[in-house]
Amino acid sequence: AQSVTQLGSHVSVSEGALVLLRCNYSSSVPPYLFWYVQYPNQGLQLLLKYTSAATLVKGINGFEAEFKKSETSFHLTKPSAHMSDAAEYFCAVRPRGQNFVFGPGTRLSVLP
Amino acid sequence: DAGVTQSPTHLIKTRGQQVTLRCSPKSGHDTVSWYQQALGQGPQFIFQYYEEEERQRGNFPDRFSGHQFPNYSSELNVNALLLGDSALYLCASSLPPGTEETQYFGPGTRLLVL
Repeated sequence: AQSVTQLGSHVSVSEGALVLLRCNYSSSVPPYLFWYVQYPNQGLQLLLKYTSAATLVKGINGFEAEFKKSETSFHLTKPSAHMSDAAEYFCAVRPRGQNFVFGPGTRLSVLP
Repeated sequence: DAGVTQSPTHLIKTRGQQVTLRCSPKSGHDTVSWYQQALGQGPQFIFQYYEEEERQRGNFPDRFSGHQFPNYSSELNVNALLLGDSALYLCASSLPPGTEETQYFGPGTRLLVL
């Protein structure tokens, strides 16, 4: 069965520092890959997605992610963290023809 | 452009009761999926409805059932509630299976079972 690993349940960065949230998936066939963000007491908002086009994907709010097939990874980055980036981030995979499998999430804290 | 809407926003029930949650998909979408998100965890897929039929189902017992109406809105029903059913229930809508792959989520219904 497909699985998603997010290394680090909680990541803290200083405002202005690089954000790196890790995601690895288990699949021999590259699935569709997504990052969603969840603010407190809200639903999930799509940040970006990889659907077999360019391996470097740009999303909203300055986030981007790079698909690396050899490493089965889809890490999320942002060059400079902002206080408003504090939230829960979920990596998800969607094998073709199947439904989403979400990772356990990483809580991002941004320190002033 | 109306996004995914869910009702109610919060709900408190007692063990053994039954609950119905409702979802209206994003304009232009006809496929609805339901997820359960326990506290501190990622969402878990419950089932998906398309053309008023359940198309896929996750690892949830038969106490969880659903329905899709001709206007594409959907209901999630949970019978014989257990304490462990306390969670945020998320609805997501999308285009038909096999087309564009993105799902768009609603704000969720937070269910507390006492």
